[in-house]
Amino acid sequence: QQQVKQSPQSLIVQKGGIPIINCAYENTAFDYFPWYQQFPGKGPALLIAIRPDVSEKKEGRFTISFNKSAKQFSLHIMDSQPGDSATYFCAARKRSQGGSEKLVFGKGTKLTVNP
Amino acid sequence: EPEVTQTPSHQVTQMGQEVILRCVPISNHLYFYWYRQILGQKVEFLVSFYNNEISEKSEIFDDQFSVERPDGSNFTLKIRSTKLEDSAMYFCASSQGAYYGYTFGSGTRLTVV
Repeated sequence: QQQVKQSPQSLIVQKGGIPIINCAYENTAFDYFPWYQQFPGKGPALLIAIRPDVSEKKEGRFTISFNKSAKQFSLHIMDSQPGDSATYFCAARKRSQGGSEKLVFGKGTKLTVNP
Repeated sequence: EPEVTQTPSHQVTQMGQEVILRCVPISNHLYFYWYRQILGQKVEFLVSFYNNEISEKSEIFDDQFSVERPDGSNFTLKIRSTKLEDSAMYFCASSQGAYYGYTFGSGTRLTVV
């Protein structure tokens, strides 16, 4: 119930392609769904995030699609560039009754964008 | 852009030794976290800290772990007696609160030998 399942594990696209990374969850207590981008040796950096009352959010070349009934959400990267090559993590936030919160991360997708 | 600063970037320690990982969160943030990432695996929650106390901890965060905010700016993670399986990247994060994203530091790579 606490898991966030992410696929694929790795993805290779050509420059200009549109990689799509998918995540699924079970726990309806999750209330916020961020995506993080991580370069080697660096911490995860917030890329884009969505709340469950919104079906789509776009920021620049990055789009999250959210399907609340299916408990699935995905990240699309338009016009991908070699500089987008990184590991992408989806996450879901769970807030407890006491007000504390934590992020549950997916296992990550290593994206390679070839020139 | 404000950053979360972590020191050291790399720490090598002998099994059984104590280590302290240090973090300076973003100054106006109120919520603080430690996560860890074993090489090649997902990022895992360790502990959250708010209002000078632990608000939630995971099953990983056993009695060997402790956190402290000693002076209003630093946020530390102490591992009392390190084990080989504690080898991982440890990330500090901070947040302004609900519906705000977390800002992660660049991490401390802990190697226990």
